Amino acid sequence: AQTVTQSQPEMSVQEAETVTLSCTYDTSESNYYLFWYKQPPSRQMILVIRQEAYKQQNATENRFSVNFQKAAKSFSLKISDSQLGDTAMYFCAFMGPDNYGQNFVFGPGTRLSVLP
Amino acid sequence: EAEVAQSPRYKITEKSQAVAFWCDPISGHATLYWYRQILGQGPELLVQFQDESVVDDSQLPKDRFSAERLKGVDSTLKIQPAELGDSAMYLCASSLALAGAYYEQYFGPGTRLTVT
Repeated sequence: AQTVTQSQPEMSVQEAETVTLSCTYDTSESNYYLFWYKQPPSRQMILVIRQEAYKQQNATENRFSVNFQKAAKSFSLKISDSQLGDTAMYFCAFMGPDNYGQNFVFGPGTRLSVLP
Repeated sequence: EAEVAQSPRYKITEKSQAVAFWCDPISGHATLYWYRQILGQGPELLVQFQDESVVDDSQLPKDRFSAERLKGVDSTLKIQPAELGDSAMYLCASSLALAGAYYEQYFGPGTRLTVT
């Protein structure tokens, strides 16, 4: 079974600075997807960024980028120019190749606080 | 912009009572997911539907939980009888997903259940 680990339960960063959230995972699959989801306080979860395992190039979405190290099974999220609206729980998630059931696994989350 | 709707947003019930949650996915989304998110943890998949069929319910406690999506559109998740350990956020998500392909999951706002 796949597992996703986020070793940082809480983090804080000053507004406008850069922060990196860590995620490691375990799988025997060779083709899969990895995601970072954001869950703001009292609001729904939204997708921040995704990475296909077969792509070597790291995904980027505006101020959000990932460092995907397939051999190390590591998938970190970098947030540049942090904004107050980035305050949220961030979940790393894994999806296996067939998108069925237990192939979609979330990590325990990292609570990020952006300080003014 | 289309959204996943869930009701109620909050529910307080006594132990041993029955409780039901409703989800209306984004129109046209064939796949519907129910997740349970215990406070401070990542979401855990309970059941996944493809149209009206259950694709995976291996993590659903079937002695007390049931889920249906009779016409392949909206869905109901029921708990009977509720137990103290069922207190959690229940999230619904939907996607266009088909086997072997990736489509983004869109999450609803969730139903926060408190069992007393």
